[in-house]
Amino acid sequence: EPEVTQTPSHQVTQMGQEVILRCVPISNHLYFYWYRQILGQKVEFLVSFYNNEISEKSEIFDDQFSVERPDGSNFTLKIRSTKLEDSAMYFCASSVTSGNEQFFGPGTRLTVL
Amino acid sequence: AQSVTQLGSHVSVSEGALVLLRCNYSSSVPPYLFWYVQYPNQGLQLLLKYTSAATLVKGINGFEAEFKKSETSFHLTKPSAHMSDAAEYFCAVSDHRDDKIIFGKGTRLHILP
Repeated sequence: EPEVTQTPSHQVTQMGQEVILRCVPISNHLYFYWYRQILGQKVEFLVSFYNNEISEKSEIFDDQFSVERPDGSNFTLKIRSTKLEDSAMYFCASSVTSGNEQFFGPGTRLTVL
Repeated sequence: AQSVTQLGSHVSVSEGALVLLRCNYSSSVPPYLFWYVQYPNQGLQLLLKYTSAATLVKGINGFEAEFKKSETSFHLTKPSAHMSDAAEYFCAVSDHRDDKIIFGKGTRLHILP
């Protein structure tokens, strides 16, 4: 059964460093998303991406964040200069069309020291 | 704006007993409603969804939920709990006009032997 995959499963970085979180969505899906879950809190929407551009973004998704689909399979989230409060589980999701079921990956746990 | 409220951050039930996880939503337009489950160290898995068809929705693993517009509720039930049901459950809502899913804070379900 096709699934969304994410790498790495756990990333530890120093404050101020850049990180890139990688996702491989399901191959025939056209819509891609990032969510995050700070420990003990709810899952929050960050950004949606379609046709090589951002469809919608939340207030959390400020200038430190960017997304890219560098090739036909990967979807990345870059945090330019990490802060302590960026420590969270980051989930990638994909869907066939807008409004359809979103399939979530297993997440990348980001720890900023 | 849409929102979801899950009553009870922790719920404990005995194995074989009824599972009832409560969810109330707020939405200015007819919502899509979801229940996701998250097992330890795993991603979010869709249990079931309501998209304006039948108000009683059946999902995987014996779970079901009933959409009650008058009560703005979408409670999750399972007649007989199993040890493997121990996980975190998230109620979520989306506006089919955009892509983002708004999650509740989650309810951790504990199954007592």
